[in-house]
Amino acid sequence: DAKTTQPNSMESNEEEPVHLPCNHSTISGTDYIHWYRQLPSQGPEYVIHGLTSNVNNRMASLAIAEDRKSSTLILHRATLRDAAVYYCILRFGNEKLTFGTGTRLTIIP
Amino acid sequence: ETGVTQSPTHLIKTRGQQVTLRCSSQSGHNTVSWYQQALGQGPQFIFQYYREEENGRGNFPPRFSGLQFPNYSSELNVNALELDDSALYLCASSLGTGEYEQYFGPGTRLTVT
Repeated sequence: DAKTTQPNSMESNEEEPVHLPCNHSTISGTDYIHWYRQLPSQGPEYVIHGLTSNVNNRMASLAIAEDRKSSTLILHRATLRDAAVYYCILRFGNEKLTFGTGTRLTIIP
Repeated sequence: ETGVTQSPTHLIKTRGQQVTLRCSSQSGHNTVSWYQQALGQGPQFIFQYYREEENGRGNFPPRFSGLQFPNYSSELNVNALELDDSALYLCASSLGTGEYEQYFGPGTRLTVT
């Protein structure tokens, strides 16, 4: 399984943008980049995924480097409800999701 | 639309016992995956069921087994429980085995004493 590297933890102020980085230098051409998050006492939830182009949805934006060796999940205006562990996952086709330890995001009121 | 549900919420068992955890998938989803999440770690894939057949397995011993029923609900069975089996067990359903997002339930917290 291709590996991802994320910071263990990050802090951000409420109502400010948050940029969560992910390095995946061994990514293959067919790996999609998926992001899930896990709020306290809940199961993970899907956030966004992409292959090469930047992606936007109602929850977040995903910026993918041109060489695809890194990506950034962008929360445009963090709220207290966005405090969670964020997982960056590489996935080819219908492969299982392989979770690392993720980034624990703390939002400061 | 009902989301993924799991039962029970919490469970305490003794080493050597057997346990069955249950999962109801989201409406219209025919694929269920099970994960084990130890404290402070990310979820680890146990196995996946698609249309009542096992469709992939992670690095877990045979005492972890599963079933999927015609209504696509699923069970995870663990025999001969060990202390290290204490974890949060998560079930996730998806529309199929393709590149679909997975919808997770809230999990069952299993404690083995």
